[in-house]
Amino acid sequence: AQTVTQSQPEMSVQEAETVTLSCTYDTSESNYYLFWYKQPPSRQMILVIRQEAYKQQNATENRFSVNFQKAAKSFSLKISDSQLGDTAMYFCAFMKVSSNTGKLIFGQGTTLQVKP
Amino acid sequence: EPEVTQTPSHQVTQMGQEVILRCVPISNHLYFYWYRQILGQKVEFLVSFYNNEISEKSEIFDDQFSVERPDGSNFTLKIRSTKLEDSAMYFCASRTGTGNEKLFFGSGTQLSVL
Repeated sequence: AQTVTQSQPEMSVQEAETVTLSCTYDTSESNYYLFWYKQPPSRQMILVIRQEAYKQQNATENRFSVNFQKAAKSFSLKISDSQLGDTAMYFCAFMKVSSNTGKLIFGQGTTLQVKP
Repeated sequence: EPEVTQTPSHQVTQMGQEVILRCVPISNHLYFYWYRQILGQKVEFLVSFYNNEISEKSEIFDDQFSVERPDGSNFTLKIRSTKLEDSAMYFCASRTGTGNEKLFFGSGTQLSVL
């Protein structure tokens, strides 16, 4: 079975600074997807960034980038130039490619507070 | 951008009552999901639904739960006899199909069982 672990329950960062959220996962699959979702106080689930395991290049989306280390089974999220609107809970998630159901397995989440 | 719509946003019920949570997935999507999140905890998979049948379900999804796509647009989650521990935010999600891994989530229904 796959598991996703986020070891940082809470983090804070000053506005305009950079912060990195950690995620590790365990799987015997060779091909899969990894995701970071943002959940602001409204509790809407918003996709931030995704990575395909067969791609070595790290995904980037504007101020958001990942450090994907497949051998170490690590998938961290870097937020550059943090903004107040980045305050949210962030979930790392895993999806098997081999599963037709497309089920997501989530980590426990990291609450990020951006301070002015 | 198209949205997954969930109603109601909040539902309060008495223990032992039946509740139906409703979702309208994005119109050309083929895979449908229910997830739940107990306050302060992680989001947990409940069930996936494809081609008018359940394709996978979790241990949480016991006989008290059922899903249905009654009319080709709505996707419902029924809890037959609610328990206090069913209090949670329930998210509906959908995606187009195999090869497209992006799930679109609704804004959730907060269920409170008293």
